[in-house]
Amino acid sequence: KQEVTQIPAALSVPEGENLVLNCSFTDSAIYNLQWFRQDPGKGLTSLLLIQSSQREQTSGRLNASLDKSSGRSTLYIAASQPGDSATYLCAVIYGNNRLAFGKGNQVVVIP
Amino acid sequence: DVKVTQSSRYLVKRTGEKVFLECVQDMDHENMFWYRQDPGLGLRLIYFSYDVKMKEKGDIPEGYSVSREKKERFSLILESASTNQTSMYLCASRETSTFYEQYFGPGTRLTVT
Repeated sequence: KQEVTQIPAALSVPEGENLVLNCSFTDSAIYNLQWFRQDPGKGLTSLLLIQSSQREQTSGRLNASLDKSSGRSTLYIAASQPGDSATYLCAVIYGNNRLAFGKGNQVVVIP
Repeated sequence: DVKVTQSSRYLVKRTGEKVFLECVQDMDHENMFWYRQDPGLGLRLIYFSYDVKMKEKGDIPEGYSVSREKKERFSLILESASTNQTSMYLCASRETSTFYEQYFGPGTRLTVT
């Protein structure tokens, strides 16, 4: 069974610092990996999707990398802002089109 | 832009009531999903549907059923609500033509008293 881990569960950074969030998965046979953002009490918003054949994806201040062989993905958020405070979840599609989610990194950006 | 809507943001129901949660997507996606999200447990898949009238149990289907009569609508039914079904319920749809990207609705916070 695919297991997705995100460590640490929570972190705080001062405004302006770069954020680095890690996601690891146990089965490298994935179809793609998707990063989401979730604000308190809200649904999930898709940030980036990386196909299994790709090494990274970029959107504005966000960059996500994927190393399938080691079972890792990293989400970088450059020059963090208070508005980046949220929970970030990663999810992988594997096997019979199943989706496995991590429990998220809860981020607080301190002004 | 893909839009996934859920019928209610907040619901309060009594134990034993039958509860319907509705989800509608406007992008002609074949796959639709129902999850619940609880602190410390993350997202857990209740049911998913590959296409109209097709459904498959997820990881925690007990106490739930689903209905998908039309492609755009996927309903979650709590046959007899219990307090341990108090949770945030999230619906999602997924395109299957290219990257299998998943899109979520805003969520329904259900409280069963």
